[in-house]
Amino acid sequence: DTEVTQTPKHLVMGMTNKKSLKCEQHMGHRAMYWYKQKAKKPPELMFVYSYEKLSINESVPSRFSPECPNSSLLNLHLHALQPEDSALYLCASSQGQGPSGNIQYFGAGTRLSVL
Amino acid sequence: AQSVTQLGSHVSVSEGALVLLRCNYSSSVPPYLFWYVQYPNQGLQLLLKYTSAATLVKGINGFEAEFKKSETSFHLTKPSAHMSDAAEYFCAVSDHGLTGGGNKLTFGTGTQLKVEL
Repeated sequence: DTEVTQTPKHLVMGMTNKKSLKCEQHMGHRAMYWYKQKAKKPPELMFVYSYEKLSINESVPSRFSPECPNSSLLNLHLHALQPEDSALYLCASSQGQGPSGNIQYFGAGTRLSVL
Repeated sequence: AQSVTQLGSHVSVSEGALVLLRCNYSSSVPPYLFWYVQYPNQGLQLLLKYTSAATLVKGINGFEAEFKKSETSFHLTKPSAHMSDAAEYFCAVSDHGLTGGGNKLTFGTGTQLKVEL
């Protein structure tokens, strides 16, 4: 089973709202990732968590706040977003280390619209 | 720094024809290479991976790719296209792992495959 589950599938929010995106995996993976993908573009890395610690923040604005409560769960808290933040947000996970550690498995994404 | 270049942002083939999607990489170390497929309004699905074992890699849905070090290429092929193959395809290269775990994927710009009757 290589399933990464993201909720919600769709989210519409105003610029003053606070919302959260959720990502879950039960493959025992120790690395989890958030990506942002605009239409007709490749995914852009936002954050990497490894063993529940933030290891990479790709200069993402503070209105995006990641959280990793445990090794299976990854959240992305959203606050005071701008319309240009509208995109598909993808979560991924990987073993983190070892021979297959580089293989990332992606969820179906959350389609976010900021009004 | 690592990078991948996908030649052709749009490729159109007839159903039953050969599919060839091109990917060239640049890496200072032996690369880990991947092909992902993205159907409309979905996430990325792993098609196949090269991690320094056999140079001809077979993936899902009849796709395969050949790693050619001399050409720094990792082109994706399928002998006979099917309508259901219409999607966006991304080639990606990975680093050898981050300190503390995890890895960084660098994606190409993608190739939209169209399959016509």
